[in-house]
Amino acid sequence: QSALTQPASVSGSPGQSITISCTTTSSDVGVYEYVSWYQQHPGKVPKLMIYEVSNRPSGVSHRFSGSKSGNTASLTISGLQAEDEADYYCSSYTTTSVIFGGGTKLTVL
Amino acid sequence: EVHLLESGGGLVQAGGSLRLSCAASGFTFSSYSMTWVRQAPGRGLEWVSVISDSGATYYADFVKGRLTISRDNSKNMLFLQMNSLGAEDTAVYYCAKYVLATTPAFDNWGQGTLVTVSS
Repeated sequence: QSALTQPASVSGSPGQSITISCTTTSSDVGVYEYVSWYQQHPGKVPKLMIYEVSNRPSGVSHRFSGSKSGNTASLTISGLQAEDEADYYCSSYTTTSVIFGGGTKLTVL
Repeated sequence: EVHLLESGGGLVQAGGSLRLSCAASGFTFSSYSMTWVRQAPGRGLEWVSVISDSGATYYADFVKGRLTISRDNSKNMLFLQMNSLGAEDTAVYYCAKYVLATTPAFDNWGQGTLVTVSS
């Protein structure tokens, strides 16, 4: 069982904004400076969207943003587009390992 | 352009071994930590192991001494030796590069290599 909890699914209409949460209750998990987010389309390789809570790698749309508050990190996608429909995973770390959340399926209605 | 190419996957019987390889190019391989992440069919991402630029290694709890990560900086190669494989190890195995030297986020991934363990 992952120490990072994500909702199994979220949905939104084109143009809307959605937020995916990632929560930990484990004291072993890092203090969240190293939260990252990945997008994975079916049958495709994961793509890094956010690292260190809110940094976007080169080439990632500004519609994707990350934040954190307490033990919960969040990925917000604004101006939802059909191509954003995918699975999203958060990730963090402990002192000796990396952990992934269980993943959230985003459906664009 | 960064390029990672895994190889070595395949069908193996339970209890058997495989050695996965990952050929890296397009960046200074020796300066980055590298990692293996796996994904079982229809399941989420699962971190397996990391090797730092200095050669320090860490493993997920489920590894239990069965897997060994290594690297050859002279050949820009990453490896994962997998022993005592079980059906639960069936997955696509990805190698990936750290986005920064010490930040555990992975900005480049290979296409993955499928490991299938038959019971």
